[in-house]
Amino acid sequence: ILNVEQSPQSLHVQEGDSTNFTCSFPSSNFYALHWYRWETAKSPEALFVMTLNGDEKKKGRISATLNTKEGYSYLYIKGSQPEDSATYLCGLDSGSARQLTFGSGTQLTVLP
Amino acid sequence: DGGITQSPKYLFRKEGQNVTLSCEQNLNHDAMYWYRQDPGQGLRLIYYSQIVNDFQKGDIAEGYSVSREKKESFPLTVTSAQKNPTAFYLCASSMGIDNEQFFGPGTRLTVL
Repeated sequence: ILNVEQSPQSLHVQEGDSTNFTCSFPSSNFYALHWYRWETAKSPEALFVMTLNGDEKKKGRISATLNTKEGYSYLYIKGSQPEDSATYLCGLDSGSARQLTFGSGTQLTVLP
Repeated sequence: DGGITQSPKYLFRKEGQNVTLSCEQNLNHDAMYWYRQDPGQGLRLIYYSQIVNDFQKGDIAEGYSVSREKKESFPLTVTSAQKNPTAFYLCASSMGIDNEQFFGPGTRLTVL
């Protein structure tokens, strides 16, 4: 079983602050990295699927970068809003078993 | 509307009973997945299916069984052999194994 780690486990930020968190994975087992947002009482929804080293993707105020050589991805949220409060999950597709191995998530709370 | 449905939302069963969780999608997706979430942990893959009449074990398949007789349906049976079945179960689907996954609302199973 692959080790996908997310940090921090949780964080609280003030509305308007920008924040970022990390997903680390074994660099030798990379095919694609998925980011999902999971709001309380809702289903997880996909944010990004990243495949290329150096790739940067953006959706509104949320962006993600990928470094496959060193085995990490950053998720950035610019100007956090209370509606950004959610658990953010990353999932690694290693390409061999063709399944996603998820980290335990980063729980973000944006305080008004 | 297109989407994934899981039923029921909450399920209670006595120890020693088998129980089947429903997952249906009308997105015309080929791939479907079953995950389990426990407190403080990420999503762990139980079973997945890339195409009708085919499925593979995930990381924690012991004590579970699935079938994929129709493209739109991927029911999960939690058998009495599963030692710790109380958990939150999520079903997902995707166009293919490389694509983002779409999740259902989940079923919370409690075994008494």
